[in-house]
Amino acid sequence: SQTIHQWPATLVQPVGSPLSLECTVEGTSNPNLYWYRQAAGRGLQLLFYSVGIGQISSEVPQNLSASRPQDRQFILSSKKLLLSDSGFYLCAGRQLKSNSPLHFGNGTRLTVT
Amino acid sequence: GENVEQHPSTLSVQEGDSAVIKCTYSDSASNYFPWYKQELGKGPQLIIDIRSNVGEKKDQRIAVTLNKTAKHFSLHITETQPEDSAVYFCAPGSGGYQKVTFGTGTKLQVIP
Repeated sequence: SQTIHQWPATLVQPVGSPLSLECTVEGTSNPNLYWYRQAAGRGLQLLFYSVGIGQISSEVPQNLSASRPQDRQFILSSKKLLLSDSGFYLCAGRQLKSNSPLHFGNGTRLTVT
Repeated sequence: GENVEQHPSTLSVQEGDSAVIKCTYSDSASNYFPWYKQELGKGPQLIIDIRSNVGEKKDQRIAVTLNKTAKHFSLHITETQPEDSAVYFCAPGSGGYQKVTFGTGTKLQVIP
C-alpha cells in the first residue's frame, strides 16, 4: 500500500528565512502528488498538485513554490517566509487509477515567528 | 471547479447516539465519493468511499449514502464512541480527477 513520508514534524522559522519541506512516496509509481495547508481549526487548502516529474499546478498565489524533481519526491519551498505562512502542511499522494483515494503524510507544523 | 459544502460544521452527540454529516457538491460529473477522518495532529485518513453506481455502502458502524440526483452524499456513524471524535471531510470527484477539493470539514465531538 501507499505510504507518504514527510519531515520534519515540527518547524519554527523566523520571518524572512527560507523553507524547504520534503515529501516522499512509497508503494506506488507515477502518483499524483499534492500539498495542502491547514490553518488551526480550518479546512484543507490545496496549494499545489503534480501529475508528473516537473509538472506543477499552483492553486493559490503566494510566496510558496513546489517542485517534483523525481517521480516520488515532492518539495515545498519558500525564499522568504511570512507570518501568514504558519500552518499545518500536508503532503498527499494518489494512484493514477480511476477513483482512488488520497493517502496523507503526518504533516509538518510550521510556526513562523 | 467543484464547489463542496459540508453540514453541520460542528456536531456534538452523546456516546451511543448516531451522527450524520452531509456533503453537497456541484459537479454533476462526480462519480467518486470518499469520506476522510482527521484526528488531532495527524493527516486525514480514508474511512469509507462509494462509487456512483452504488446508493449505499456500510462498514460496521459507518455508512455512506449517495443521492446523485440531488448531488449530495452523507456519512452515517451509529453507536458513536469517544474515539469517533475527530474532524471529518468529504472530497467528491470524477474518475481520474487531478485537483482534489475537500469540503469545509465537520468537527464531531462524542460526549462520554
